[in-house]
Amino acid sequence: DAGITQSPRHKVTETGTPVTLRCHQTENHRYMYWYRQDPGHGLRLIHYSYGVKDTDKGEVSDGYSVSRSKTEDFLLTLESATSSQTSVYFCATTNPQSDNSPLHFGNGTRLTVT
Amino acid sequence: AQTVTQSQPEMSVQEAETVTLSCTYDTSESDYYLFWYKQPPSRQMILVIRQEAYKQQNATENRFSVNFQKAAKSFSLKISDSQLGDAAMYFCAYRRVGAGSYQLTFGKGTKLSVIP
Repeated sequence: DAGITQSPRHKVTETGTPVTLRCHQTENHRYMYWYRQDPGHGLRLIHYSYGVKDTDKGEVSDGYSVSRSKTEDFLLTLESATSSQTSVYFCATTNPQSDNSPLHFGNGTRLTVT
Repeated sequence: AQTVTQSQPEMSVQEAETVTLSCTYDTSESDYYLFWYKQPPSRQMILVIRQEAYKQQNATENRFSVNFQKAAKSFSLKISDSQLGDAAMYFCAYRRVGAGSYQLTFGKGTKLSVIP
């Protein structure tokens, strides 16, 4: 959807290791988001970006950082992974030409922290 | 803060029958947007339908329609002539109007099973 590629698709890592998830889009959308999906919680916003080098926190940002050095790439970093960060991570983008513009999602990254 | 509540964690429907998924939300805003997303087992998030709060007419997309009750802050999704491919998680989502993050606030989801 909207040319959004997330990598890797799956990852298993150990507690305490750093992890970086990548989101790449080809639609030149200005806004990009990282959500996590957990059973019983739906999707919760971690961080978002409204332009190159412009980012802000979402509701569950603790333990995560992001960077956006190019329009097309939005990176999510777990500096020291914990088991509570085991989740499915979704990247989304939008270019709000109108307020009801939907979010377009990547296919998700399943991260397991052991 | 806005919240979105989906009170039915799981539902089932017979193939070809009609099912309604519930969603309520809490907001102090008068203008906003509401969305339903479908997530099949493939994990892909697919937009099903959207509704602008200032429009009284309920949105419809083929077999999918909504019942938007603004005063009650209710936004239910009706699926008619259910098909096996409708089996999925369904998420209701809210967005504020105007400048800002354009982020969506999601409910916890309803898992829909379709019985052949």
